[in-house]
Amino acid sequence: EAQVTQNPRYLITVTGKKLTVTCSQNMNHEYMSWYRQDPGLGLRQIYYSMNVEVTDKGDVPEGYKVSRKEKRNFPLILESPSPNQTSLYFCASSYVPVLAYEQYFGPGTRLTVT
Amino acid sequence: AQSVTQLDSHVSVSEGTPVLLRCNYSSSYSPSLFWYVQHPNKGLQLLLKYTSAATLVKGINGFEAEFKKSETSFHLTKPSAHMSDAAEYFCDTPRRYQFYFGTGTSLTVIP
Repeated sequence: EAQVTQNPRYLITVTGKKLTVTCSQNMNHEYMSWYRQDPGLGLRQIYYSMNVEVTDKGDVPEGYKVSRKEKRNFPLILESPSPNQTSLYFCASSYVPVLAYEQYFGPGTRLTVT
Repeated sequence: AQSVTQLDSHVSVSEGTPVLLRCNYSSSYSPSLFWYVQHPNKGLQLLLKYTSAATLVKGINGFEAEFKKSETSFHLTKPSAHMSDAAEYFCDTPRRYQFYFGTGTSLTVIP
C-alpha cells in the first residue's frame, strides 16, 4: 500500500529536549516536505527536499532542521524545542514537477512542548 | 507572491443541500490548484486538482471545482451534502518548489 508514515503520532516533551520525528514514504517520490498546522493558520511549510541531499527552507524554518540522506526518509529535528513549536506536524511526498502532482500526506504528529 | 485565500472559515449546510467552499488565488501566471480534505485526526487527502487542462475538474466523492481565470477563483462544489462530508477543506497552490495553503474551511453538515 502506498503510504507516508510518521512516528511518533503523539509526543509530549519539555523545553530544550532534542527530538526527532521520522517520516518515510514507499512511493519512490523525489519531493518530500514538512508542514505545521495551527488553528486559523492552515498548513505552513517548514522545509522541503527535492531529492537526496537537496533541502531548502519553507516559510517557517526557524527552530527546525531536516536531512535527506535516503530517498524514502525525511526526518524533522527539533534541537531545542520551545512551547511555540507545539503544533500538529505533517510530512508529505510527491513526484516532480510539483506543479503537476498532488502530495501524499502522513497521518500527522501532535507535538506538545511544555 | 503566489497564494490562495479561503473566503469562509466555517460553512454549515443541511444534509442533501449544495455545498460551496470558496477559494481565490493570486498569481501572475496560470497556477496549479489543489483541493484537499482532512477528516478529524487524519492526514490530508486529495479531492481534485487543476493543472491547466480542463477548467471544470471532477474529483472524488462527487466534488468538483471550476477554474475561473477572470475571477481568480477555484471554488469547490458538491450538489448534495452527505454527513460524511463534514471535515476541514484546504485549497493549495505550488510555486516553484513551495506550497501555499489556505487557512481552511470547516464544513458542518446538519442532519
